[in-house]
Amino acid sequence: DAGVTQSPTHLIKTRGQQVTLRCSPISGHKSVSWYQQVLGQGPQFIFQYYEKEERGRGNFPDRFSARQFPNYSSELNVNALLLGDSALYLCASSRGPLGTDTQYFGPGTRLTVL
Amino acid sequence: KQEVTQIPAALSVPEGENLVLNCSFTDSAIYNLQWFRQDPGKGLTSLLLIQSSQREQTSGRLNASLDKSSGRSTLYIAASQPGDSATYLCAVSLSGGSQGNLIFGKGTKLSVKP
Repeated sequence: DAGVTQSPTHLIKTRGQQVTLRCSPISGHKSVSWYQQVLGQGPQFIFQYYEKEERGRGNFPDRFSARQFPNYSSELNVNALLLGDSALYLCASSRGPLGTDTQYFGPGTRLTVL
Repeated sequence: KQEVTQIPAALSVPEGENLVLNCSFTDSAIYNLQWFRQDPGKGLTSLLLIQSSQREQTSGRLNASLDKSSGRSTLYIAASQPGDSATYLCAVSLSGGSQGNLIFGKGTKLSVKP
C-alpha cells in the first residue's frame, strides 16, 4: 500500500504570496493532521481534520487554513506569506482522530519564502 | 500545558557503542509515546510506539522504555552504526479531548562515526 503522499516536494514563494499544499492519506485513513517544522525544532501541530471536519487547531494565525475532501485528501493554505513561514510542512494520516490512533507521516513539503 | 524535552540536543559516538537518548514530558496524562527518526530534510519514520499501559517496546537494536509516572522515556540503541546517524524525535499523544495531535520534543541529533 502507498504511504502518505505530499505535493509539491519543494516550493519557493515570495512574501505576501499565497500557497497551497496537498496531502493524500493512506488508503482507509480518515484523519489528516498538518504540522510545521522549522529548522532545528520539532514539528508543531497546525490542524487535524476527520471526516471532513476540523477536529483540532494549533496556535497558528488565521492566515493558515485547511480543508479535507470527500476522498479524505487534504489541502493546507497559507495566505500573506511571511519569511517565518519557511519550514518543512508535514502531513500525517491515521484511521481515527484520537490519540490512540497511530499517525503516519508523509515526506513533507519544503516551503521557502523569500 | 504539555512540554516535551529531549536531552542531549546532539550526540556523537564511535561506531559500535551503545547509547541512550532521553525524553521527558511534563503531563503524565498521555495515550502513548512515539519515537521517530528523521533524516536531513526528510519526513518522519516511526521507530517505536509505547502505549501508556506499557513499559517498553523493542525492535531489533532499538529498545524504548516508558515511565509515565515520572514523565520519562528512553531510547536505547545497541551497537550503533553510521547508518543510525539522524535526528531522533519523541512525541506524546494526549489523553482526553477529541483530537489526537502529537506534541514533539526538539530532537536529539545523533552522529555515529565510523
